Amino acid sequence: QSVLTQPPSVSAAPGQKVTISCSGSSSNIGDHFVSWYQHLPGTAPKLLIYANDKRPSGIPDRFSASKSGTSATLGITGLQAGDEVDYYCETWDSSLSAVVFGGGTKLTVL
Amino acid sequence: EVQLVESGGGVVQPGGSLKLSCAASGFIFSGSTLHWVRQTSGKGLEWIGRIRNTINNYATTYDASLEGRFTISRDDSKNTTYLQMSSLKTEDTAVYYCATRQLTTYGMDVWGQGTTVTVSS
Repeated sequence: QSVLTQPPSVSAAPGQKVTISCSGSSSNIGDHFVSWYQHLPGTAPKLLIYANDKRPSGIPDRFSASKSGTSATLGITGLQAGDEVDYYCETWDSSLSAVVFGGGTKLTVL
Repeated sequence: EVQLVESGGGVVQPGGSLKLSCAASGFIFSGSTLHWVRQTSGKGLEWIGRIRNTINNYATTYDASLEGRFTISRDDSKNTTYLQMSSLKTEDTAVYYCATRQLTTYGMDVWGQGTTVTVSS
């Protein structure tokens, strides 16, 4: 059971938009910055978003994110077949004194 | 090029031990915090722990469920961090990654390709 709760799966058609939620608590999302990762199992995870809503160099603006209270949301527009991988939120948890990941969300591009 | 390369994975029997290595290049290793993360079969990413830099006295922090069996260390002269795993269980079977942060203010923006550990009799 992950400290951060994500939907197991989301889906949308090519070209459409999808959002992935990440719900936490005051000891993690509520008090710390959130990062988002894209991960194809067996390969290196890729940082998509850091500090709640900032994109690293090279990440297209199709990827966006926001945070409100104890929840965060990742948005992906203009869906492509290559987006069909797993997505994770991550932050620090003050109560656990540990980095915590969400359970991951598998995106299906219909 | 900023790079992390893990090695040392393999097959080990339950109750056994294994030490993974993560060699870094292309950045100032001694100033960096290094993390270990794993992905178990059918599950998501799981943070194992981190080791901070010399300014922070090489402090280590672990996921509570793994502390005591897993130990992270580093050798700045070799630009390498290590993950010593003991009393291994079948549920420790996973791909193990090391990661760090170089260009962003938060998150982990540099990851290795991972090394696979299989715990099986």
